[in-house]
Amino acid sequence: SAVISQKPSRDICQRGTSLTIQCQVDSQVTMMFWYRQQPGQSLTLIATANQGSEATYESGFVIDKFPISRPNLTFSTLTVSNMSPEDSSIYLCSVEGQSGRAGETQYFGPGTRLLVL
Amino acid sequence: EDQVTQSPEALRLQEGESSSLNCSYTVSGLRGLFWYRQDPGKGPEFLFTLYSAGEEKEKERLKATLTKKESFLHITAPKPEDSATYLCAVQAYGGSQGNLIFGKGTKLSVKP
Repeated sequence: SAVISQKPSRDICQRGTSLTIQCQVDSQVTMMFWYRQQPGQSLTLIATANQGSEATYESGFVIDKFPISRPNLTFSTLTVSNMSPEDSSIYLCSVEGQSGRAGETQYFGPGTRLLVL
Repeated sequence: EDQVTQSPEALRLQEGESSSLNCSYTVSGLRGLFWYRQDPGKGPEFLFTLYSAGEEKEKERLKATLTKKESFLHITAPKPEDSATYLCAVQAYGGSQGNLIFGKGTKLSVKP
């Protein structure tokens, strides 16, 4: 499985500001995913990032709020814009394994814990 | 609507006391069902992937099974280091590629 790192591991931010989270993978992958885990809630997919194309956002998430970059096959960033306390969550990136099978296993990074005051 | 429900929400066991965690799911078509372990402050750690009813996977004290409606994670003779939140997720045909639908998890505490 891939080794995934995220920066920062945690941050405390003021409302109205923006934070960019980085995700680095130790091997080239086609698709990278960004999830949010709000306190007491399930992990929820925000968007899928393919290298060389626009990210695909899930219902309830918009590009203006969560812009994503995918400049190469090992790196992606997620920005949380104009933050409010409701954005306090753990943000996780993940990648799929490379077996080529439908229903591919996803492997997760360590997460970024965000607190918005 | 595709959804996943895990029970119980929390489970306290004595060391050596075997038990099972349940994951009930409703999907239009199952691509895969996944079990993860999550420790406080960390990302989910992959445990098992199951693809079809009747399939079973084992790893140390853990065994995952799958039917057409639910999956069980059996824990045999647990140790305190098995304490964690266990997450179940499904990927469905017809959903966006890669979209894992997660349950809220079962928080397991194993006391010595």
